Amino acid sequence: EVQLLESGGGLVRPGGSLRLSCAASGFTFSSYAMSWVRQAPGKGLEWVSDISGNDFSTHYADSVNGRFTISRDNSKDTLYLQMNSLRAEDTALYYCAKRTGNYGGNFDQWGQGTLLTVSS
Amino acid sequence: EIVMTQSPATLSVSPGERATLSCRASQSLSSNLAWYRQKPGQPPSLLIYGASTRATGIPARFSGSGSGTEFTLTISSLQSEDFEVYYCQQYDKWPLTFGGGTKVEIK
Repeated sequence: EVQLLESGGGLVRPGGSLRLSCAASGFTFSSYAMSWVRQAPGKGLEWVSDISGNDFSTHYADSVNGRFTISRDNSKDTLYLQMNSLRAEDTALYYCAKRTGNYGGNFDQWGQGTLLTVSS
Repeated sequence: EIVMTQSPATLSVSPGERATLSCRASQSLSSNLAWYRQKPGQPPSLLIYGASTRATGIPARFSGSGSGTEFTLTISSLQSEDFEVYYCQQYDKWPLTFGGGTKVEIK
């Protein structure tokens, strides 16, 4: 059974930093691209960032480009999101999501999410 | 950026009736279009991928269709568990983008 377990969320002041983690199990982690998708309270889904399975090519939404860094450790089956220069508008539930291919595809599995609140 | 526009924002339907949800892309897509469902307090889950292929375990009352810039999710006979929010998403070009969602509510 595929499991994705996010952690690392919390309350951060504007301008602060935080690193999210997503521990994966139940599939060959290195064979699949992974994304972070966020959902602000009461709002829709917003894709944040993506990383391919084994050559680690990355993509970012314009809203986070230059502030967030996605990475993965295939030896630990773990996905990360380093978030710097946080803003109030980054407040959201952050999901990690597995894609169906090494470089793309739709999202076929989602974690339960970890909540980031950016507030002074 | 490909903008995905879903309509209507809210759809009021009686149980047993048919629901038709629309998703329009600002540029022509290949078939790289997915639909997800989301209940309050839960993560999204995959319904349809490739515009028309049902995900594993999804009942036949759900069907996806469309091409180019116009896509449709049809629920042939709404069951009580189907009253939730539905999102379309394109995975054809970067950045990946979602529609704003359609909430299906009980009439």
